[in-house]
Amino acid sequence: DVKVTQSSRYLVKRTGEKVFLECVQDMDHENMFWYRQDPGLGLRLIYFSYDVKMKEKGDIPEGYSVSREKKERFSLILESASTNQTSMYLCASKEPGKADTQYFGPGTRLTVL
Amino acid sequence: QKEVEQDPGPLSVPEGAIVSLNCTYSNSAFQYFMWYRQYSRKGPELLMYTYSSGNKEDGRFTAQVDKSSKYISLFIRDSQPSDSATYLCAMSEDNYGQNFVFGPGTRLSVLP
Repeated sequence: DVKVTQSSRYLVKRTGEKVFLECVQDMDHENMFWYRQDPGLGLRLIYFSYDVKMKEKGDIPEGYSVSREKKERFSLILESASTNQTSMYLCASKEPGKADTQYFGPGTRLTVL
Repeated sequence: QKEVEQDPGPLSVPEGAIVSLNCTYSNSAFQYFMWYRQYSRKGPELLMYTYSSGNKEDGRFTAQVDKSSKYISLFIRDSQPSDSATYLCAMSEDNYGQNFVFGPGTRLSVLP
């Protein structure tokens, strides 16, 4: 019954390190998303992708980049991790044009020291 | 003013109580309204989806949308300890996921 998986549940990194978060979905969805979730702020969209190799910035893309080389896989990259990027990161996938088909992964709790 | 407001709680109720969770919003163009349930250390899962105004019922859960008041509600009847979770509302002008706006979530505890 696995739909969206994320490579790590917990991750601890040091300031300045390059961090890769990976997400895989098995529903053949075209759209994939990366959010971060912080207390009191809700989910904020970092980047989304609507097709292989296609990406669009979300509301808070600064300090992040993404890669989508295959339809099922969407990676979030922190080029140089900073302490203010300590957060819960959630990946999601969705069928285009269908609001009720968004599935989330279990999340990666990233701590940057 | 945030686009979507939601009381963060925590809200504690006894088992069997009727729970009312609410969100208010400012963008009158929102047409798609979702409720997600998020258990501790898990990702959100879609619980209810409503398009435009009106009510929708699914088992013990009822979603209501009042567009004139810019107010949506989720009611849980006969609440169970397994309902203990954070409930997120989300809404959008369209059904493209990149435009979803999420509330911060309300943490609910149902006490046995």
